[in-house]
Amino acid sequence: GQSLEQPSEVTAVEGAIVQINCTYQTSGFYGLSWYQQHDGGAPTFLSYNGLDGLEETGRFSSFLSRSDSYGYLLLQELQMKDSASYFCAVRNSGYALNFGKGTSLLVTP
Amino acid sequence: EAGVAQSPRYKIIEKRQSVAFWCNPISGHATLYWYQQILGQGPKLLIQFQNNGVVDDSQLPKDRFSAERLKGVDSTLKIQPAKLEDSAVYLCASSLDRSGNEQFFGPGTRLTVL
Repeated sequence: GQSLEQPSEVTAVEGAIVQINCTYQTSGFYGLSWYQQHDGGAPTFLSYNGLDGLEETGRFSSFLSRSDSYGYLLLQELQMKDSASYFCAVRNSGYALNFGKGTSLLVTP
Repeated sequence: EAGVAQSPRYKIIEKRQSVAFWCNPISGHATLYWYQQILGQGPKLLIQFQNNGVVDDSQLPKDRFSAERLKGVDSTLKIQPAKLEDSAVYLCASSLDRSGNEQFFGPGTRLTVL
């Protein structure tokens, strides 16, 4: 089967840096995605890592280590609007995305 | 470019009733997904279509849920009969191709079963 672990809640101060970790167990791993979801909103795509290493997109970066079955999302220069839920999702050989339970990020002034 | 459209946005029904949701994906997107998101959890894939063929429906409760994507564009998801535990947000997503590395989600339909 598949399992993903990520912290349920994280709190950080505006302007700071926060890292949200994700560990996974799956067979036929293809890649790791990250999605952001504001309360009452739709998930929106942030990043995808198919290979080991760091992917950077503006203030957001995502990292993958396939050998450690581990990845993280790094958010820099936090803004109040970054308060949301963040989901890691594993793509397997069947092309389906398996989402984690999500990390609720609260950015405080 | 227009996003993924879904309707209705909200639906309240009683248990044992039937309900249907509609989704129109982004133009040109071959792959369409239906997810169920229960409060406090991540989206769970119910069914994935590639054009009008089913790629994965392993987590679809087929005794009560059905979905179709006629003509490879719009899709409908039906629940018949509904149970209390079906209360959730039903999200439709689409992607350009089957890899689904970047999926675009619609606003969802919030279903409440009383």
